[in-house]
Amino acid sequence: NAGVMQNPRHLVRRRGQEARLRCSPMKGHSHVYWYRQLPEEGLKFMVYLQKENIIDESGMPKERFSAEFPKEGPSILRIQQVVRGDSAAYFCASSRWGQETQYFGPGTRLLVL
Amino acid sequence: QQQVKQSPQSLIVQKGGISIINCAYENTAFDYFPWYQQFPGKGPALLIAIRPDVSEKKEGRFTISFNKSAKQFSLHIMDSQPGDSATYFCAASPENYGGSQGNLIFGKGTKLSVKP
Repeated sequence: NAGVMQNPRHLVRRRGQEARLRCSPMKGHSHVYWYRQLPEEGLKFMVYLQKENIIDESGMPKERFSAEFPKEGPSILRIQQVVRGDSAAYFCASSRWGQETQYFGPGTRLLVL
Repeated sequence: QQQVKQSPQSLIVQKGGISIINCAYENTAFDYFPWYQQFPGKGPALLIAIRPDVSEKKEGRFTISFNKSAKQFSLHIMDSQPGDSATYFCAASPENYGGSQGNLIFGKGTKLSVKP
């Protein structure tokens, strides 16, 4: 039973480019959460999605960041026109409807040069 | 009000000793309190979790103590082992979105080192 999968595991972008991070939830999970972790910091919530719906995006920066979880395929976190401050580890977690446990993926480490 | 404050930042314990990590919160709407363990380069893994209707929960060597009136909770690791060396995060979840828990608010983490 595969866990939460994220790709790529490492991503290098130059300032101004776009970054696309993918997350495939565990089988049977319909809820996806994205978190960002800066070095030596805890995880900060960004967005909570169900299939085709954004439930809570209160942690998303107002500009350049967007997320989706389509009916088919992985959830995508998209960062446009990246800046150095976007360098961080981005984690996705998934859960099953009616259960509180969030299972985390291995993360995508984004480095902006 | 949405913060979870975690202490200490780092902790060194001898093998066989007890590791204690503390967290405090202010938002009384929090109703789910998990602890996660994270090794370098990996994602966080759920260790143990508690709800406010109980004061203590034990799973193996790991125990959560919960004090609702003080709005504090702590993780105790008994008989600490070198393999327990990792970063530990407490978290709290503010509300239930009609069938599933909402987002997690994390503490800043405690880096535990268990010396052999």
